Amino acid sequence: KQEVTQIPAALSVPEGENLVLNCSFTDSAIYNLQWFRQDPGKGLTSLLLIQSSQREQTSGRLNASLDKSSGRSTLYIAASQPGDSATYLCAVYNQAGTALIFGKGTTLSVSS
Amino acid sequence: GAVVSQHPSRVICKSGTSVKIECRSLDFQATTMFWYRQFPKQSLMLMATSNEGSKATYEQGVEKDKFLINHASLTLSTLTVTSAHPEDSSFYICSASGSGDSPLHFGNGTRLTVT
Repeated sequence: KQEVTQIPAALSVPEGENLVLNCSFTDSAIYNLQWFRQDPGKGLTSLLLIQSSQREQTSGRLNASLDKSSGRSTLYIAASQPGDSATYLCAVYNQAGTALIFGKGTTLSVSS
Repeated sequence: GAVVSQHPSRVICKSGTSVKIECRSLDFQATTMFWYRQFPKQSLMLMATSNEGSKATYEQGVEKDKFLINHASLTLSTLTVTSAHPEDSSFYICSASGSGDSPLHFGNGTRLTVT
C-alpha cells in the first residue's frame, strides 16, 4: 500500500530564506507526482505536476524534483515571502493514474 | 484554466438529516471525479471514485450507503451524506480530471458540521 510522508510537519522561517520541503513515498511505481498548496479552510491549488518520466519542474520561485528510484521528491521555494505561508501537500498518483494519495503536508509560516 | 466549482462551501445540519454536495467542472468534461475527506490536521483521504454513467468505486472503510455518489453527467457529480452524524463533520473536497495526462483539478471544498 502506497504511503506518502512529508517532513517536516511544520516549518517557520524569516522572509527571504530559501527552503526545502521533503516528500517520500514507499512504492516507486507511481504515475505522476503533484505538489499542492492549501490555505486554511480552503481547497487545493496545484503548484507543480511532475510526470513519472521527468526529474523536475519549475514555476517561478518554485522548483520540484522527483527521484523515483529513491522514492523522494523535494519542493524548493526560493526567497520565501509571507504570502507563501500555507500548508504544502505532496501527492502521488497510483500506478493506474486514477487517484492521488496524499501526505499530511508541511505547514509553512514565513514571518516578515 | 480548468475550474472545478464545489457547492456549498459551508453547511451546518442537524444529526439525522442528509446533505448534498455538488461538484461541477466548469470548462471541461470530467470523465472521472474523486471525492476526498480531510479531518483536522490529517491528510486528504480518498473516499470514492466516480465515472460518468457508472457506479462509484468506494475505498475500503467508506460506507457506500451512507455516502451516495451520483455522476450523472460529464460536468456534475454529487455526494450526499445520508443520516449525518457529528462524526461525519469534516472537510469534503472533490476533484475532477479530463482525460489522458490531464492533472487533477480541485474544488474549494465543503466544510460540513453536523450538530
